[in-house]
Amino acid sequence: GESVGLHLPTLSVQEGDNSIINCAYSNSASDYFIWYKQESGKGPQFIIDIRSNMDKRQGQRVTVLLNKTVKHLSLQIAATQPGDSAVYFCADDTGRRALTFGSGTRLQVQP
Amino acid sequence: GAGVSQSPSNKVTEKGKDVELRCDPISGHTALYWYRQRLGQGLEFLIYFQGNSAPDKSGLPSDRFSAERTGESVSTLTIQRTQQEDSAVYLCASSRYQETQYFGPGTRLLVL
Repeated sequence: GESVGLHLPTLSVQEGDNSIINCAYSNSASDYFIWYKQESGKGPQFIIDIRSNMDKRQGQRVTVLLNKTVKHLSLQIAATQPGDSAVYFCADDTGRRALTFGSGTRLQVQP
Repeated sequence: GAGVSQSPSNKVTEKGKDVELRCDPISGHTALYWYRQRLGQGLEFLIYFQGNSAPDKSGLPSDRFSAERTGESVSTLTIQRTQQEDSAVYLCASSRYQETQYFGPGTRLLVL
């Protein structure tokens, strides 16, 4: 079946460094992806999305890259701050119905 | 504006009891979703409501789980005869038709 997974369960970075969180997907028909941030005790919060007709999209301090050839996407966070500490999920929203989530990567920002 | 709200925020129950979890979606959102998140894991889809269409129940893990939604408003997720493996965070999300889902804070369920 379809799976969306993450390469690393935990990523530890120094404050001010750039962070890169990776995600792989298996469904070659997938065409819409979302990154969510989940802080402890809270629900997932939308960060940024990307459609398959793009390979890069930028937001405020965040960039999502999509490589359809290898079915891989990444979330880059520039100048990581302590407030960025959270679990990050990639999700496949291709069917515009139920999201398919990866298991998440915990980002720890060291001061 | 107001986001998705869920109640209770925490629920502790005994094995075998029934529980009801409530979700209030964002006003105007026709779609409503329930997900389950076990500790340290990603989200598992449970059920999806879209307007007055028949709900997509394909994610419900057993017949002990059911959900209802009245029109485009409140939804309740019911778990009958709870088991310890039902312990998880139950998250609700809502969206406009085929648009981004916005999540509530979740209900943390602990079955003793």
